[in-house]
Formats: sequence, C-alpha cells, structure tokens
Amino acid sequence: EDQVTQSPEALRLQEGESSSLNCSYTVSGLRGLFWYRQDPGKGPEFLFTLYSAGEEKEKERLKATLTKKESFLHITAPKPEDSATYLCAVQAASNFGNEKLTFGTGTRLTIIP
Amino acid sequence: DVKVTQSSRYLVKRTGEKVFLECVQDMDHENMFWYRQDPGLGLRLIYFSYDVKMKEKGDIPEGYSVSREKKERFSLILESASTNQTSMYLCASRGTSGRPRGNEQFFGPGTRLTVL
Repeated sequence: EDQVTQSPEALRLQEGESSSLNCSYTVSGLRGLFWYRQDPGKGPEFLFTLYSAGEEKEKERLKATLTKKESFLHITAPKPEDSATYLCAVQAASNFGNEKLTFGTGTRLTIIP
Repeated sequence: DVKVTQSSRYLVKRTGEKVFLECVQDMDHENMFWYRQDPGLGLRLIYFSYDVKMKEKGDIPEGYSVSREKKERFSLILESASTNQTSMYLCASRGTSGRPRGNEQFFGPGTRLTVL
C-alpha cells in the first residue's frame, strides 16, 4: 500500500528563518510527487511536480527536492504570507490509468512577523 | 489558468436528505476527481472519472455516487446524507497525463458540508 508521511505536523518560524519540510513516501514505483499549498478553508494550490531522484524545482522562496525515499520543501527567508498547510502527494507507477494520488496529512506552517 | 468551480462554499443539510455537489472545470480536462478532507486523515479519493459517463471508485465510495454527463461537469451525490459525511469536499481536474506537461491535479475551492 502506498504511504506518505509528512513531518513535522506543525512548524512555527520567525520571518526570515529558513527551514525544511519533509515528505517520506513508500510507493511501488514513483510516477510523480506533488507539492501543494492550502490556505484555511480553500482548495489546495499546485506548487511543484517532481518525477525522479535528484530533481529540483524552485518558485520564489520555495525549493522542492526529491530522493528515492523522500522529498523536501525548503523555505528560504519566509514571509508571513507563506503561512499555510503544505501537502505532499504521490502517484505510483502501478496506478497508471488509475490516476490515484495518495496524500500526506500536511505540515501546517506559521511564519511569525 | 485552470479554473475549477464548485457550486457551494458552505452547505447545511439534514440527515436523510439527498445532496448534490456540483463541479465545473473550464480547461477541457478529461479527468475529474472528488475528494473529502478531514482533520488528521488528509485527502481521500471518493470517485474519479476519466471520460464522459465513465467513473471509477476511489478509496471511500460507500454512501456516494457520481454523474458525468458533460466533459466539464462532475457531480457528487449523497443519496441519503448522514452525520459522518460532514466534511470538506474538494473537486479536482487534470488533463492528459504525460511529461513534461505533468500529472498535477487542479483543485476547486471546496464545499464545507455539515449534516445535522
């Protein structure tokens, strides 16, 4: 069974204090790993897709990396507007045609001014 | 930009009522999904559809049905609402898979359903 575990559950940082969020996964062959941002009461907003170990993607203060067992979302010099829940999801190669994503429960990030 | 809209942001229904949740996407996507999101459980797939009139069960289909009569519209139906169906319901859509376009799903704003 595919599994995604995100840590920590919650993280509080001072504005400008860089850190990383972790997404550990177990899948029967990775087809893709996805990062989403979710604000309270809203739907998830797509951030990145990573396909293979060693791949990196960047967007503003966010950088996502991927290994064979986990992905990191690095946040550099965060601002209060980066406060949100960050979700990680995986699609297994065995699910091709099934289109199923397995989500983690997310990391709730709070940036304190 | 992809736009996925859901018919209601908030909905309050009574136990036993039939409930319809509507989702519309404007990007001509083949694939559409319904999830529910509960604290501590994350997003769980209820049903998805990869074409008009086609549907597949997800992880938790019990108590739900779906309808896809037009490509842009995917409806979730609670035949007889129960209190354990109180949740945030999220619709998503995705185009044809294949790199480098990506397999990402795009989500609507969600419907928070309360069943009393």
